[in-house]
Amino acid sequence: DIQMTQSPSSVSASVGDRVTISCRASQDISNFLAWFQQKPGKAPEPLISASSTLERGVPSRFSGGGSVTDFALTINNLQPEDFATYYCQQYHSYPVTFGGGTRVE
Amino acid sequence: EVLLVESGGSLVQPGGSLKVSCEASGFDFRDSAMHWVRQTTGKGLEWVGRIRSKVNGYATMYAASVKGRITISRDDTKNTTYLQMNSLKTEDTAVYYCCSQEGDFLTARWGQGTLVTVSS
Repeated sequence: DIQMTQSPSSVSASVGDRVTISCRASQDISNFLAWFQQKPGKAPEPLISASSTLERGVPSRFSGGGSVTDFALTINNLQPEDFATYYCQQYHSYPVTFGGGTRVE
Repeated sequence: EVLLVESGGSLVQPGGSLKVSCEASGFDFRDSAMHWVRQTTGKGLEWVGRIRSKVNGYATMYAASVKGRITISRDDTKNTTYLQMNSLKTEDTAVYYCCSQEGDFLTARWGQGTLVTVSS
């Protein structure tokens, strides 16, 4: 199975900050990488697919990049509604696997 | 608007069985592969399995942790996919989400989840 390692596991930030979350795959996944945002008691919401493609309705302050094994999610000008947990996911190979999550607090 | 609504989660004793459902609307369900993902407090998000469309032979695939104990099926006349779980273990306690695939994006849309608790 492909292991997905996210860092950091948590980050303290303030409104207006820029936050960057890293995700590393244990093998080449090309750009088959997605990012999700999850708030307490809610289902994960897709933010980005194919490493850098914003899902419909996702604010442009979110951006993603990377390929092969190293990826990043950047949130510019952090807003109050962005405090949540973020997960990366590879869908290059079965089984689909997720990172352990990064809590932005 | 894509809508996925899971139902059927409940408290089950270890060794028991449970079938949860996911009713879909707002997209062409018959042509879409459907996936199940679960979330536990301890192990985070875990992909459980998927079922492809009729044109792809309703092919199924399962995670190693549940293979042999779960079956994913679908009824295209009801726009519904099912997750049958047998020989349940305490570690199967989780919120179970169904997801619809869009193109290469395997879990593009998510339902709200249904809680399955395995406990005596």
